[in-house]
Amino acid sequence: DTGVSQNPRHKITKRGQNVTFRCDPISEHNRLYWYRQTLGQGPEFLTYFQNEAQLEKSRLLSDRFSAERPKGSFSTLEIQRTEQGDSAMYLCASSSRGWGDTEAFFGQGTRLTVV
Amino acid sequence: DQQVKQNSPSLSVQEGRISILNCDYTNSMFDYFLWYKKYPAEGPTFLISISSIKDKNEDGRFTVFLNKSAKHLSLHIVPSQPGDSAVYFCAASDPIQGAQKLVFGQGTRLTINP
Repeated sequence: DTGVSQNPRHKITKRGQNVTFRCDPISEHNRLYWYRQTLGQGPEFLTYFQNEAQLEKSRLLSDRFSAERPKGSFSTLEIQRTEQGDSAMYLCASSSRGWGDTEAFFGQGTRLTVV
Repeated sequence: DQQVKQNSPSLSVQEGRISILNCDYTNSMFDYFLWYKKYPAEGPTFLISISSIKDKNEDGRFTVFLNKSAKHLSLHIVPSQPGDSAVYFCAASDPIQGAQKLVFGQGTRLTINP
């Protein structure tokens, strides 16, 4: 078990381009979460999946953002027509039970820079 | 609207002494609180949690205290060790907003001096 894996680790893109990030959770974890962290702030919730079902979405997740977890395993987060305000660290986490258990793990994140 | 606040952006403590990190919240519906630790270039790592039905939870060198009337929680680390130097986040969950939606504070950078 190698933990939660996120790719790429870093992404620099021009404003207006589309980007896609991937998260591979710990195997057999049925819950997967996406968070966004900007400089000097704590992580902010974006969305949550239980298996392949997207059960919660934040108002932060504008129409330009879409997340999928097609087979209940890995997940992708796509940002269309990126803006400079999208520059942030995007974190993925997975668990087999709810928050508060030591089984909830974060990945190392994907740092997005929009220039 | 910052529902979870960590008012100290940084804290410096001597090795061996006690570190106390504080967190205040505004939403009285929060029923579960967690502390995470984050090293540079790594994701947050779970440390310790507490349910709103308790006022204290202890795990080794880490103790979390919850004061519901004051809407305040604190993390005590004793004795502090150099490896404890990291950014610490408190977080809370609200069963009404969605139990899977953790709300994080801004973080406190703890530095342990030898």
